[in-house]
Amino acid sequence: EDQVTQSPEALRLQEGESSSLNCSYTVSGLRGLFWYRQDPGKGPEFLFTLYSAGEEKEKERLKATLTKKESFLHITAPKPEDSATYLCAVQDHNTDKLIFGTGTRLQVFP
Amino acid sequence: KAGVTQTPRYLIKTRGQQVTLSCSPISGHRSVSWYQQTPGQGLQFLFEYFSETQRNKGNFPGRFSGRQFSNSRSEMNVSTLELGDSALYLCASSFRNGGTDTQYFGPGTRLTVL
Repeated sequence: EDQVTQSPEALRLQEGESSSLNCSYTVSGLRGLFWYRQDPGKGPEFLFTLYSAGEEKEKERLKATLTKKESFLHITAPKPEDSATYLCAVQDHNTDKLIFGTGTRLQVFP
Repeated sequence: KAGVTQTPRYLIKTRGQQVTLSCSPISGHRSVSWYQQTPGQGLQFLFEYFSETQRNKGNFPGRFSGRQFSNSRSEMNVSTLELGDSALYLCASSFRNGGTDTQYFGPGTRLTVL
């Protein structure tokens, strides 16, 4: 059965303190892995799509990487405005369903 | 391009009532998916519609139903509401690019069942 596990559940960082969020997945066939950012009371905002192991994508202070079993979202020198819940999702090649993890709630303090 | 819109944004209903939520996808997107989000369960997939046909379905009871119109707009209906149906209901529209379906979410409808 397809499964997505994100860790840690919550992360508190000081402004400028770099860190990484983890997304481990089990899927019969990976069509793509997605990262989203969600602010309280709002819908998830698309960040990245990764297709195959070894791929990397960057956007401002965020960098996403992918291996055959997990993905990392690296946050370099975070700012308070990076505070949000970050969601990871995988799309199964056979069913086309998108399976979401429960997210990592990131808080960045000045 | 305008994003995904959902109406209404907030709803308060009582147990036993029914509710209909609406979603207008991004122009040109033919696929619409619905999710239920609760603090304990995260994002749970309800169903997906493509060209007016249900293409995928999650593990929700038959009280949850949906449909899609010829202009790709979609509605979901929940009948005989229960307290546990209180949640943020999210709609996402998508298109296939590079072999994957990138989903773009609306702001959601916050449903409270009393």
